[in-house]
Amino acid sequence: DAGITQSPRHKVTETGTPVTLRCHQTENHRYMYWYRQDPGHGLRLIHYSYGVKDTDKGEVSDGYSVSRSKTEDFLLTLESATSSQTSVYFCAISDNTGAGETQYFGPGTRLLVL
Amino acid sequence: AQSVAQPEDQVNVAEGNPLTVKCTYSVSGNPYLFWYVQYPNRGLQFLLKYITGDNLVKGSYGFEAEFNKSQTSFHLKKPSALVSDSALYFCAVRVHTGKLIFGQGTTLQVKP
Repeated sequence: DAGITQSPRHKVTETGTPVTLRCHQTENHRYMYWYRQDPGHGLRLIHYSYGVKDTDKGEVSDGYSVSRSKTEDFLLTLESATSSQTSVYFCAISDNTGAGETQYFGPGTRLLVL
Repeated sequence: AQSVAQPEDQVNVAEGNPLTVKCTYSVSGNPYLFWYVQYPNRGLQFLLKYITGDNLVKGSYGFEAEFNKSQTSFHLKKPSALVSDSALYFCAVRVHTGKLIFGQGTTLQVKP
């Protein structure tokens, strides 16, 4: 999985609790992304980062925040988890955003919010 | 609006037969198109991409895809399916900001 790890791989939590998911890369790529995968929706972009401390919103960012204090780590936080945030979360990385650039994906985190 | 559609939720094919997984897109400007595969409990693996040039793109594991600008399609193909090809396949298009927009996915089932 292209030098990308995600932790935890599985998590069960309760509604209203904060949750932080971690993405760690060893490729020194500038761009990092968080997606969620839901049946019938494919993957949808939550937030992305174009450098340390530089982040921006994707199409489904409500209820999520991110931080990137180091090139290799990109954190996704659910401030107060809701059942609608039950999903599989994928991190991806790319070296640039040029036309030919490929995004590579981590193994995913399966989150269940009860 | 820019979008990707995969019109089939599931494709069933017998081992040894050719397979096609369909994808159509709607973007402004030149399309940059990707196919990914997801095996159970794994992340997405890159298969192939079309940026420019030859309309037939060859990728990993014997897969290829045909870009058709007039039909705004980018169908994934393989001449002879294997049981091990059974997986979830995603088509995606890169938009001008560099982000990817994904289709909803197609499950490929290859039966022995």
